[in-house]
Amino acid sequence: NAGVTQTPKFQVLKTGQSMTLQCAQDMNHEYMSWYRQDPGMGLRLIHYSVGAGITDQGEVPNGYNVSRSTTEDFPLRLLSAAPSQTSVYFCASSYWREGQGDHEQYFGPGTRLTVT
Amino acid sequence: RKEVEQDPGPFNVPEGATVAFNCTYSNSASQSFFWYRQDCRKEPKLLMSVYSSGNEDGRFTAQLNRASQYISLLIRDSKLSDSATYLCVVTMTPMNRDDKIIFGKGTRLHILP
Repeated sequence: NAGVTQTPKFQVLKTGQSMTLQCAQDMNHEYMSWYRQDPGMGLRLIHYSVGAGITDQGEVPNGYNVSRSTTEDFPLRLLSAAPSQTSVYFCASSYWREGQGDHEQYFGPGTRLTVT
Repeated sequence: RKEVEQDPGPFNVPEGATVAFNCTYSNSASQSFFWYRQDCRKEPKLLMSVYSSGNEDGRFTAQLNRASQYISLLIRDSKLSDSATYLCVVTMTPMNRDDKIIFGKGTRLHILP
């Protein structure tokens, strides 16, 4: 199993450009989430999903869109990149059912994004 | 009060020493607690779950104090390879759709040779 994969590993964008960060998992996990990690700020939840067709906002959703058309994939879209979105982005997945779930999250290797 | 708080450190500890750090949480209804480890420029990985009765895994001991709403991580006989950032995680059990998995900001640990 590949676990959680993310592409690209590194990306440089100019202000105003758009792009999609890709995330895929092969563990048949229903729960997937996106975090950003900035120095001194820890991991902050951007968006999450408990299954295909279902997405919810986390702590810092502004400037980001997500969709979940399949169990495996959970892409994160930056519609108009801003320097404040310079960060390391982690995708994670875990087993989940309503009222269940072992909560262990498996993280992808991260995408390092710089917006100039 | 933030939902999950940790002392950011860094904790600079000589090799072989014992080190402990805590994580406080604000939601008294929280039910599940975990410690994750994150190496520099890497993704976080689960270190251990924290059970009500406490648990031990080799040199690592995790404990939960519900009355004071904190969890702790104790590392005995510290090794250079223990240098990392340790993140505490709090969530609900059972976990419903609206429940979120909350990460602390992490505590940096440097083991000195």
